[in-house]
Amino acid sequence: GAVVSQHPSRVICKSGTSVKIECRSLDFQATTMFWYRQFPKQSLMLMATSNEGSKATYEQGVEKDKFLINHASLTLSTLTVTSAHPEDSSFYICSARDLENVQFFGPGTRLTVL
Amino acid sequence: AQKITQTQPGMFVQEKEAVTLDCTYDTSDPSYGLFWYKQPSSGEMIFLIYQGSYDQQNATEGRYSLNFQKARKSANLVISASQLGDSAMYFCAMREEHQGGKLIFGQGTELSVKP
Repeated sequence: GAVVSQHPSRVICKSGTSVKIECRSLDFQATTMFWYRQFPKQSLMLMATSNEGSKATYEQGVEKDKFLINHASLTLSTLTVTSAHPEDSSFYICSARDLENVQFFGPGTRLTVL
Repeated sequence: AQKITQTQPGMFVQEKEAVTLDCTYDTSDPSYGLFWYKQPSSGEMIFLIYQGSYDQQNATEGRYSLNFQKARKSANLVISASQLGDSAMYFCAMREEHQGGKLIFGQGTELSVKP
């Protein structure tokens, strides 16, 4: 099946710094990618829908200036958490949709902000 | 209003027994899809099974089957012959065709398989 990768898998940073997470579709082109956040023992909450070559669509309550999303190519979307704070510590998961409308998930990135 | 509801925060099942994980949904879109994912402690989301709103038959994939009751808006997952490796979080999700294809997830059910 199709593979979606995320990098890094884990990141620890100091409060106030920015962190970039990459999501790549390895063997298919993804015009649409999705970014989710998951707190411990909770569900996946959709943050934004990322479309190649256009601005991301953010869900209600998600700060677009805080979580910058760039979908520069058909195989890469990036999520940048700007000026990260401890409350941003979470598990971030991306997914990519192929041309047959099947969605594949990345392995996730665990962010810890000290 | 919650679009996807999983009312069982945790479930226990004896190894080799069958277990049903509940999921109800709410939508006015006539075209939608229902998904079940397994999330082990590693965090990866593993796709299990899919049911389209127009599918006449219940979906099956190996030991997984989906009990789709459209009138009741329920899409319960049945796991037969449970194995120790089935212990994980299970999420039900819905995709509405007129909502940009995004998946909305339920709260999840933590399944524990006892030896």
